[in-house]
Amino acid sequence: QSALTQPASVSGSPGQSITISCTGTSNDVGNYNLVAWYQEHPGKAPKLMIYEASKRPSGVSDRFSGSKSGYTASLTISGLQAEDEGDYYCCSYAGNSAYVFGTGTKVTVL
Amino acid sequence: QMQLVQSGAELRKPGSSVKLSCKASGGTLTRYGLNWVRRAPGQGLEWMGGILPIFGTAIYAHKFQGRVTSIADESTNTAYMEVSSLRSEDTAVYYCATKYSNDAFDLWGQGTMVYVSS
Repeated sequence: QSALTQPASVSGSPGQSITISCTGTSNDVGNYNLVAWYQEHPGKAPKLMIYEASKRPSGVSDRFSGSKSGYTASLTISGLQAEDEGDYYCCSYAGNSAYVFGTGTKVTVL
Repeated sequence: QMQLVQSGAELRKPGSSVKLSCKASGGTLTRYGLNWVRRAPGQGLEWMGGILPIFGTAIYAHKFQGRVTSIADESTNTAYMEVSSLRSEDTAVYYCATKYSNDAFDLWGQGTMVYVSS
């Protein structure tokens, strides 16, 4: 169960859009639509932003959207705001009740 | 509304064990199951394993098999995870999390900091 691959960092100016990729294998992302995205701020528990690749939980801004194609899932943040700064992790179901997280991406708002 | 409340910070010496708890309220662990995720300093989130709903079967990531034990106490609605043979690399914040309203970890405990140092 190797970690899913994410870019180490992504940055953008306020109002811009950014996209974070998450690449897996046929054992996880490529075989299941159960990809989730989490936002993490220092000292706080992770927060679910996207589940089942493209669904948004209640209360999450519609500036956050997700997609998946083949072995790669993506999280797009539109209209970037200062509060969006933080670490973002993808997570995929990997079969047999197991999960695997991505390597994490630090988002910086310039 | 379901909540998960975790035990307090722990300091352990290398080679020892630590047992963490996660108490659920407003919902039963047997219905939702419970997962454990950790975040070591400078590292990313890491799924460790957990308890499956209904039957309470424990499951572990390959990396932690043989060194981690997860159980659930139905009478107190509390899950426990014991990590043995601790090493410095196990210094991390340990979270419990469950799939409450969505098919993803949407409910998290506040985290427990574990320090492993001689």
